[in-house]
Amino acid sequence: QITLKESGPTLVKPTQTLTLTCTFSGFSLSTSGVGVGWIRQPPGKALEWLALIYWDDDKRYSPSLKSRLTITKDTSKNQVVLTMTNMDPVDTATYYCAHRTDGHSFDYWGQGTLVTVSS
Amino acid sequence: QSALTQPASVSGSPGQSITISCTGTSSDVGSYNLVSWYQQHPGKAPKLMIYEVSKRPSGVSNRFSGSKSGNTASLTISGLQAEDEADYYCCSYAGSSTYVVFGGGTKLTVL
Repeated sequence: QITLKESGPTLVKPTQTLTLTCTFSGFSLSTSGVGVGWIRQPPGKALEWLALIYWDDDKRYSPSLKSRLTITKDTSKNQVVLTMTNMDPVDTATYYCAHRTDGHSFDYWGQGTLVTVSS
Repeated sequence: QSALTQPASVSGSPGQSITISCTGTSSDVGSYNLVSWYQQHPGKAPKLMIYEVSKRPSGVSNRFSGSKSGNTASLTISGLQAEDEADYYCCSYAGSSTYVVFGGGTKLTVL
């Protein structure tokens, strides 16, 4: 059974760096074809893809946010970490991590974590 | 503004069928059979309903079906039920640069 869970701060100040951790079970990020992605959703708005990391350490980023994002993995801990620099109130959103299939879909999602950016 | 265009809302009565469109470009939907659809109830995480345009994950009702024509993908829900009321998002692979694009979401109301 695949599960994922996001963790990190619920409140960050403008200009600070956000660090979120996705802890997962039921699969290994060392298995060929496997990936983990981050997707966010501002309150009342649509889903927005942020970043992906694959089993072979291939990393992909949203072109519009690439300069602010870094995604890394710790295979031994079954964790994926996303950092986003220079946070702004418009970055207030629920942040989800999800398991990426080799068919380019997200088949398992975490429960999400709400991050508020405010001074 | 989302990369894929969906109607903001659709509605239907119980038992009816509805279709939600998802229009992209020749760089995403039109070039790859890698469109997925997600159902999201209020306060919940999205749930995968369709992948690779028309495939259903195990456990998803066969009332849900997907298709694609040119740059437009579609999700059809037949035999509408009250529990189908939710937001629906399409998503497409968009090549090695843009990689992933989502639609703006469609709110389905079951009358």
